[in-house]
Amino acid sequence: QVQLQQWGAGLLKPSETLSLTCAIYGASFDDWYWGWIRQAPGKGLEWIGEIKQSGSTGYNPSLRGRATITIDTSKNQFSLKVTSVTAADTAVYYCVRGVGHGWGQGTLVTVSP
Amino acid sequence: DIVMTQSPDSLAVSLGERATINCKSSQNVLYSSTKKNYLAWYQQKPGQPPQLLIYWASTRESGVPDRFSGSGSGTDFTLTISSLQAEDVAVYYCQQYYTTPYTFGQGTKLEIK
Repeated sequence: QVQLQQWGAGLLKPSETLSLTCAIYGASFDDWYWGWIRQAPGKGLEWIGEIKQSGSTGYNPSLRGRATITIDTSKNQFSLKVTSVTAADTAVYYCVRGVGHGWGQGTLVTVSP
Repeated sequence: DIVMTQSPDSLAVSLGERATINCKSSQNVLYSSTKKNYLAWYQQKPGQPPQLLIYWASTRESGVPDRFSGSGSGTDFTLTISSLQAEDVAVYYCQQYYTTPYTFGQGTKLEIK
């Protein structure tokens, strides 16, 4: 059974870079595509982006080019970076396998001066 | 972007009764070559990541009770809980993964009457 374990800084100041990593257990990166979804406090779900087995990526235009997803196949991990964060980026961030066939535990990222 | 609209926003159903949640997409999410609807349903309980219930509009995820079922095609979809249990109290989301950015409905809060 696949498990995703994620980690990263939970408190950032405006203009800093959000950085999260997700480790994959029980599956190979090559088996699926992988992504990130976030949820602002009390709000709905927003798809951030994905990375496919080929390494190709896709992102939500709402992030205006600030998001980057990368992989480290040697460690079976993938990562998310979001630059120039603002209070609007405050949310719980989840890593996911495919269409939600596995979720990380979530990381609350708060952006505050 | 494809807009996903769920109805109702909230729903109260008696234990053992049927619960029905609707989801409408602003564009067709049926891919003609595969004859699959790129539509998923999730359940989210407080403080937890969403859980995938249904994908391809009607395929139940492994381990999901058979009281959950999905139907519909094209632009109109339905999630049905045939006999509501207390543990089904949650927020339910639909999501299209037909084209990026993948988008979610606003969520439907299901409670016990």
